[in-house]
Amino acid sequence: DAGVIQSPRHEVTEMGQEVTLRCKPISGHNSLFWYRQTMMRGLELLIYFNNNVPIDDSGMPEDRFSAKMPNASFSTLKIQPSEPRDSAVYFCANGQGARGELFFGEGSRLTVL
Amino acid sequence: AQKITQTQPGMFVQEKEAVTLDCTYDTSDPSYGLFWYKQPSSGEMIFLIYQGSYDQQNATEGRYSLNFQKARKSANLVISASQLGDSAMYFCAMREGPLRAGTASKLTFGTGTRLQVTL
Repeated sequence: DAGVIQSPRHEVTEMGQEVTLRCKPISGHNSLFWYRQTMMRGLELLIYFNNNVPIDDSGMPEDRFSAKMPNASFSTLKIQPSEPRDSAVYFCANGQGARGELFFGEGSRLTVL
Repeated sequence: AQKITQTQPGMFVQEKEAVTLDCTYDTSDPSYGLFWYKQPSSGEMIFLIYQGSYDQQNATEGRYSLNFQKARKSANLVISASQLGDSAMYFCAMREGPLRAGTASKLTFGTGTRLQVTL
């Protein structure tokens, strides 16, 4: 199994532009999580889905952020318009292992200038 | 209140020595799970070890062991015989609620401890 695949790995964009981050989860795992990692705030949960349905989006910072999971094999996190404070590493994670552990993608490093 | 507290921003340990990374947690749920992840400089998050709240014995995985003290709400990670490759950020995380079949629960992470292994 290839694991959780995220794209792009790196994105540099200008303030005001739309950013779309993509995630292909591990087949057969029914839960998908989007986390954001910054130096100031650490690892924060943005949103998660069970069986393609959003369960908790309380971590989404504001209306500029949206996430979708149209099917079991694909999810997107969109930021429109982007701002410099959105610069972070965005992780997609997939559950679950036998002990409830999450499997993380390699992350998408976003820089908004 | 913070759900997961890691009070050591950074730690140094000499190669081949053991090191303990501290983690305390806060939950009123009787069923929960505690996890440790490693994040090397390359950035990926690597699952290391798990302890369930009802597990009677401390978890061990190779050189990693978890010192689980339920009454004190602590779940410290012990790395024995440190290696240079252990240099990384280490995160403690918690799942609140029971393990459920078919779907995963969210994990709440601490702020991490940066471990540096020296010669």
